[in-house]
Amino acid sequence: AQSVTQPDIHITVSEGASLELRCNYSYGATPYLFWYVQSPGQGLQLLLKYFSGDTLVQGIKGFEAEFKRSQSSFNLRKPSVHWSDAAEYFCAVVFLEYGNKLVFGAGTILRVKS
Amino acid sequence: DTEVTQTPKHLVMGMTNKKSLKCEQHMGHRAMYWYKQKAKKPPELMFVYSYEKLSINESVPSRFSPECPNSSLLNLHLHALQPEDSALYLCASSQTGTGGHGYTFGSGTRLTVV
Repeated sequence: AQSVTQPDIHITVSEGASLELRCNYSYGATPYLFWYVQSPGQGLQLLLKYFSGDTLVQGIKGFEAEFKRSQSSFNLRKPSVHWSDAAEYFCAVVFLEYGNKLVFGAGTILRVKS
Repeated sequence: DTEVTQTPKHLVMGMTNKKSLKCEQHMGHRAMYWYKQKAKKPPELMFVYSYEKLSINESVPSRFSPECPNSSLLNLHLHALQPEDSALYLCASSQTGTGGHGYTFGSGTRLTVV
């Protein structure tokens, strides 16, 4: 069955440090890939998306993600984290063979320490 | 207008009440979605409407009844809910039925069933 795995439930980084959040998916063909951010009690904001083409995609707020087909991964990175980046981050995937269903990973809660 | 608007933001209802959640978008998107998000969990798909027709129902109990009166509006009618239905209900839209241009989420309705 289609699934999205975010192996890290919580991550704590110091302000100014680099960040990488991991995402893996189970699927054969290239799916549509997304990263969303959610602040407590809020909706979801799209950070970036990948459909095809260049495997390194740039998003908002200084985030980028790299699609690696061989590893079925779509990791999110930021070179320097700001305190305002503290939130929950969700990787999400549309598995085209299974219809128009956006499936979310379990999420990673990012804490930023000063 | 690049937003999905959900009303109300908060709703408290008794188990015998009938209420409705409303979602509106004016981006010309032709697919709309309802997601349910329990605390500390990722969003879970409930319903998908594509071109105003219900295309996916994720085996949601009949006490939840979706309605898409037109391409800009999506409702979720609630009746005889249980306390375990308390959650954040998120609406989303996408340009096409495959979500190929990304999904825009509203800020959600926080539902409490008492």
